Amino acid sequence: EAGVAQSPRYKIIEKRQSVAFWCNPISGHATLYWYQQILGQGPKLLIQFQNNGVVDDSQLPKDRFSAERLKGVDSTLKIQPAKLEDSAVYLCASSLGQSSYNEQFFGPGTRLTVL
Amino acid sequence: QKEVEQNSGPLSVPEGAIASLNCTYSDRGSQSFFWYRQYSGKSPELIMSIYSNGDKEDGRFTAQLNKASQYVSLLIRDSQPSDSATYLCAPGGYQKVTFGTGTKLQVIP
Repeated sequence: EAGVAQSPRYKIIEKRQSVAFWCNPISGHATLYWYQQILGQGPKLLIQFQNNGVVDDSQLPKDRFSAERLKGVDSTLKIQPAKLEDSAVYLCASSLGQSSYNEQFFGPGTRLTVL
Repeated sequence: QKEVEQNSGPLSVPEGAIASLNCTYSDRGSQSFFWYRQYSGKSPELIMSIYSNGDKEDGRFTAQLNKASQYVSLLIRDSQPSDSATYLCAPGGYQKVTFGTGTKLQVIP
């Protein structure tokens, strides 16, 4: 079974530029998560999708971050414009559903450096 | 938000010893917990899940859940240098899943 795919793996941009990340979850997984992990901290949930609907985006900085999952499968996360403090690893995860008993499977992450 | 507290460490244990990692949580309604291991520069991977009070053992790993005390722990027996990583605790749930900051474990050969 293929795991969660993410691209690109690394990205370096200058502040005020825009960037987009892509995630393809495990086949059949209805729930998709985007996390931001700053060095030395735990993953912080940015947005959670159930199929193509948003379940939780309370911690997404909506003035600069956006995410979509139009067909309920793959997803993109965009930052526009980027700030220095956005430098982090962006993790995508998926699970079968939203049950308390569904574990999350993580992709390899995208390491973003904003200069 | 389901708050989770972990000691960030580092927790240093000699090879062959028992490592004890702890996690407290705020949401009394949490029904399940997951322990993830994260090696430096890698993404988290699930190592244990626990859904009911008591202990659950899997090889060298034992997860313990005490819902009354809102406490979950992970014991690693016969610790190996390859166990050196950050261990993240997270409750399962419908939404607003929050990870702890993680405990960094160092196993000294």
